[in-house]
Amino acid sequence: EIVLTQSPGTLSLSPGERATLSCRASQSISSSYLAWYQQKPGQAPRLLIYGASSRATGIPDRFSGSGSGTDFTLTISRLEPEDFAVYYCQQFGSSLYTFGQGTKLEIK
Amino acid sequence: EVQLVQSGAEVKKPGESLKISCKGSGYSFTSYWIGWVRQMPGKGLEWMGIIYPGDSDTRYSPSFQGQVTISADKSISTAYLQWSSLKASDTAMYYCARRAGATTPDVWWFDPWGQGTLVTVSS
Repeated sequence: EIVLTQSPGTLSLSPGERATLSCRASQSISSSYLAWYQQKPGQAPRLLIYGASSRATGIPDRFSGSGSGTDFTLTISRLEPEDFAVYYCQQFGSSLYTFGQGTKLEIK
Repeated sequence: EVQLVQSGAEVKKPGESLKISCKGSGYSFTSYWIGWVRQMPGKGLEWMGIIYPGDSDTRYSPSFQGQVTISADKSISTAYLQWSSLKASDTAMYYCARRAGATTPDVWWFDPWGQGTLVTVSS
């Protein structure tokens, strides 16, 4: 079973800054099978990125995904106040859908 | 509009049974897998299992196999998650989510999600 490890656990930044969130897989995965979600307090998760780098419908272009193999990155180019939330990566393989433990992006 | 609407919050005692629901609308319910995800208080997301309502093919996470049962009633476009004997550790928010692709294996992500059902188990 593939394990996803996200880092850092908490990221403290200010609006306008650039955020870089990491998701590392315990073994190589196809970039087609890596997605990112955003979850705000009291809300269900929302799909941000699929296929490692494709933005979901309605997602602003300040969000971008990249990576391959075992290392994947979610970048938010210029943080807006509404971007402070928890972010999860997810992978699909061997009929299993695995989430990382999440990165909390908080206002500094 | 594709929507998943989940049943309301539940408060149960240890040992009781429970079945929560997730009703799909705005799409062909029988053609898309529906997954269930647990989120314990203050914790992350855990995938529990997934069902294809068209033929009730069901897959479980090894962590949840034997602990819950996932089912679907395609006549009313509703998927279910049930417990036969709840424990305090089942206290959590439970989300259903639709696998984005109908038959395309490479379209596997979850979108959209239901609003969540809070299950509280306490004596």
